[in-house]
Amino acid sequence: GENVGLHLPTLSVQEGDNSIINCAYSNSASDYFIWYKQESGKGPQFIIDIRSNMDKRQGQRVTVLLNKTVKHLSLQIAATQPGDSAVYFCAENISPGAGNMLTFGGGTRLMVKP
Amino acid sequence: DTGVSQDPRHKITKRGQNVTFRCDPISEHNRLYWYRQTLGQGPEFLTYFQNEAQLEKSRLLSDRFSAERPKGSFSTLEIQRTEQGDSAMYLCASSLDVRGLEKLFFGSGTQLSVL
Repeated sequence: GENVGLHLPTLSVQEGDNSIINCAYSNSASDYFIWYKQESGKGPQFIIDIRSNMDKRQGQRVTVLLNKTVKHLSLQIAATQPGDSAVYFCAENISPGAGNMLTFGGGTRLMVKP
Repeated sequence: DTGVSQDPRHKITKRGQNVTFRCDPISEHNRLYWYRQTLGQGPEFLTYFQNEAQLEKSRLLSDRFSAERPKGSFSTLEIQRTEQGDSAMYLCASSLDVRGLEKLFFGSGTQLSVL
């Protein structure tokens, strides 16, 4: 993913709507992808992961979609809540089998309007 | 609290001073990672340990940086002769290696400000 410096892309949604956060990853050899949520003053919090042999995985209110053809990852959040407001990062494992060293994208800020 | 613990939460130092951060991973986790995060960016990998062995170091980890995990439990990250460019959030993460791919659990980080 691209780093965007101090000006994070921002997605603003109404409470109760669905949110879609997109991410372009860099390495076609990556085989493990993770979405993290980071609230102000806290470390990244694991949301959901997916391996490259899958194209979709669902969790509680969240779905991750993987399109390896165009190296694109998305996170869908259903019925977005104010507590979902945070910065979301996608991460890819570029060294499979040699430790879970992750490369993070630049992040998207999600703002949920009540 | 059974999560990853980092100390201190904040550190302000003058350029040229040495600083040391501590990370206590989740107790049964055998892998421990250090990442660095600057404002508005995603975390960047620095180094990781499997038990007490340091298995990988990023090119970001200059000679002024050293990390240890002497007994395979807690870890320390030391920065010598700090520079203003070292100002960042230093994040520690731990995981339990099962089949080579595992979830990383992050601590809340140590925010370093070099004046």
